Amino acid sequence: GENVEQHPSTLSVQEGDSAVIKCTYSDSASNYFPWYKQELGKGPQLIIDIRSNVGEKKDQRIAVTLNKTAKHFSLHITETQPEDSAVYFCAASRGSGNTPLVFGKGTRLSVIA
Amino acid sequence: DTGVSQDPRHKITKRGQNVTFRCDPISEHNRLYWYRQTLGQGPEFLTYFQNEAQLEKSRLLSDRFSAERPKGSFSTLEIQRTEQGDSAMYLCASSFPTRVFGQGTRLTVV
Repeated sequence: GENVEQHPSTLSVQEGDSAVIKCTYSDSASNYFPWYKQELGKGPQLIIDIRSNVGEKKDQRIAVTLNKTAKHFSLHITETQPEDSAVYFCAASRGSGNTPLVFGKGTRLSVIA
Repeated sequence: DTGVSQDPRHKITKRGQNVTFRCDPISEHNRLYWYRQTLGQGPEFLTYFQNEAQLEKSRLLSDRFSAERPKGSFSTLEIQRTEQGDSAMYLCASSFPTRVFGQGTRLTVV
């Protein structure tokens, strides 16, 4: 089955700097890669996703890149703000997202003001 | 209400007791997923439904766990004879197709 590895497990950045979180996946049939943000005591919230037919997607300060050959994808957050502090999870699935997601173990991002 | 609703938000139970959680998905979402999340880990898939049909169950879903989605609307997850290892956050998500998670039910087995 699919296995998703996520690095780093913790990340501290100064406010205004960029943050990058990386994930690798094992199943070459996976074609949907979402990123979720989870705040304390809340459920995961989708922040951006990418499908295997594109290499990059951007939404304001957040971008995701996908390298299908290397089977890895990354989340980039620019101009970080204290409210970006949270745990971020990457995930992968087949079937364009209509099948169960396999999640990474998460990255705790701390943005220091 | 435009979100996924889970009830209760917190549950403390004694080992050996049965518990049941409820999930109300977004009304037009035909797929419903249950995940379990332990501290410091990502959510782990348990089972999912398309309408009322249960399409897949994870190996994590032991015989003590059962899920239903009567009439393809709300869903329940029951854990029988709870064990301390069942302590976790149980998350429900619905999709059509974008997946939206609920706030979760935090279960503590003492």
